[in-house]
Amino acid sequence: NAGVTQTPKFQVLKTGQSMTLQCAQDMNHEYMSWYRQDPGMGLRLIHYSVGAGITDQGEVPNGYNVSRSTTEDFPLRLLSAAPSQTSVYFCASSYSQGNNQPQHFGDGTRLSIL
Amino acid sequence: GENVEQHPSTLSVQEGDSAVIKCTYSDSASNYFPWYKQELGKRPQLIIDIRSNVGEKKDQRIAVTLNKTAKHFSLHITETQPEDSAVYFCAASSQGAQKLVFGQGTRLTINP
Repeated sequence: NAGVTQTPKFQVLKTGQSMTLQCAQDMNHEYMSWYRQDPGMGLRLIHYSVGAGITDQGEVPNGYNVSRSTTEDFPLRLLSAAPSQTSVYFCASSYSQGNNQPQHFGDGTRLSIL
Repeated sequence: GENVEQHPSTLSVQEGDSAVIKCTYSDSASNYFPWYKQELGKRPQLIIDIRSNVGEKKDQRIAVTLNKTAKHFSLHITETQPEDSAVYFCAASSQGAQKLVFGQGTRLTINP
C-alpha cells in the first residue's frame, strides 16, 4: 500500500513549456485534489475530483487542467508554464463526503519555471 | 467563500512550555476543522481534527478547541518537545475533508 504517489519530485521548466504532474493513489479513495503551496500562503486548492469523470475548480484553477479517467489517477496539466506557477504542488486523496475522512497527502512536486 | 486567518505566523517557546495557535474562519457553514503539521521538505500530516458538533478534542499532548459562535478554533500543545518544531496549518471546510481552505501557517520553534 503506497498511499498517494506523486511524480516527478522535482522539475524545472522554461516559460511556455507544458507538462503533466502525475498523482496516483491505491486506497480506492473517491476524492482527489491538487494544492499548491507558496511561502506564507499555506496551501491553496487548484482542482478537485469527487470521482472518475467528475472534476471541479478550486480557489486558483487558472493555467491548470485536470482529468479523472480512473479512480486511481488524477494528473495535473500545465498548458503554458509561467514563472508565477513556480511552487510546490501536493496531491491529496480521501474517502468521499459523509464521514469527514481525513485527506492523505503525497510527498509533493517542487516545480520551478524559469 | 471561506477565509481562514491564522496567528501567529511564528512562535518560539521553551521546551516544556505550552504553545497555542489560533485560527478564525468566516463561513458559518464550515463544519470540519483539521490541523496539519509539516516538517521541512515533507508532506503535511494530519495531527488532529474536530467537527462542529464537538467543542474540544484531546490526543495526548495535543488538544483543539472550537468556538462556533465566535468562529474560531485553536491548537494547544502542552509539554513541548524539540520534535514539535515544524509549520502548523489549520484548515476549515463545509464539505468534510473536501475543499479545505487553509490558514497561512505558523512556524513553531521549540528552544531547548
